[in-house]
Amino acid sequence: KQEVTQIPAALSVPEGENLVLNCSFTDSAIYNLQWFRQDPGKGLTSLLLIQSSQREQTSGRLNASLDKSSGRSTLYIAASQPGDSATYLCAVEAGAGSYQLTFGKGTKLSVIP
Amino acid sequence: GAVVSQHPSWVICKSGTSVKIECRSLDFQATTMFWYRQFPKQSLMLMATSNEGSKATYEQGVEKDKFLINHASLTLSTLTVTSAHPEDSSFYICSALQGAGRATETQYFGPGTRLLVL
Repeated sequence: KQEVTQIPAALSVPEGENLVLNCSFTDSAIYNLQWFRQDPGKGLTSLLLIQSSQREQTSGRLNASLDKSSGRSTLYIAASQPGDSATYLCAVEAGAGSYQLTFGKGTKLSVIP
Repeated sequence: GAVVSQHPSWVICKSGTSVKIECRSLDFQATTMFWYRQFPKQSLMLMATSNEGSKATYEQGVEKDKFLINHASLTLSTLTVTSAHPEDSSFYICSALQGAGRATETQYFGPGTRLLVL
């Protein structure tokens, strides 16, 4: 059974700092990996999706990397802003066509002005 | 981008009553929708896969007779929590698949429904 772990559970940084969020998964047979953002009491917004054949994806100040063989992914946020404060979720999809996602518990990020 | 809505966003009910939650894809048709549940400080857990015109597929440990899913149209799936109890209190989130073909399909999530059973 796939398990996804995110470290740290919570992170507080001053505005402008660069930061890294970590995600690990136990079964490397994944189809893709996604990073989501969840604001309090709200749904999920997809930030980046990395296919299993890819090593990284970038969108603006966000960069996600994937090392499938070691079961790890990182989300790098550059020049953090207070608006980045949210919970960041990592999710993996197993097998082509399943669409079923296994989520980590998330990292709660607070960016202090 | 594609929008998925949920109604209601908040519901409080007495123990033993049934609650219906709607998930709608507003600007696209979705043959497949998913229902997730998130307990406080826990990860989202997939409950079931809802397929238009056919029976839902439930994950292990999810009671299909307690969590009734109806996907009667390409834009609407409903989750009914029957005889709700306090332990069913949770945040329920749906998602809908948009697109045709594996390479283009994207899963969009609704804003969630917070259920509190007293």
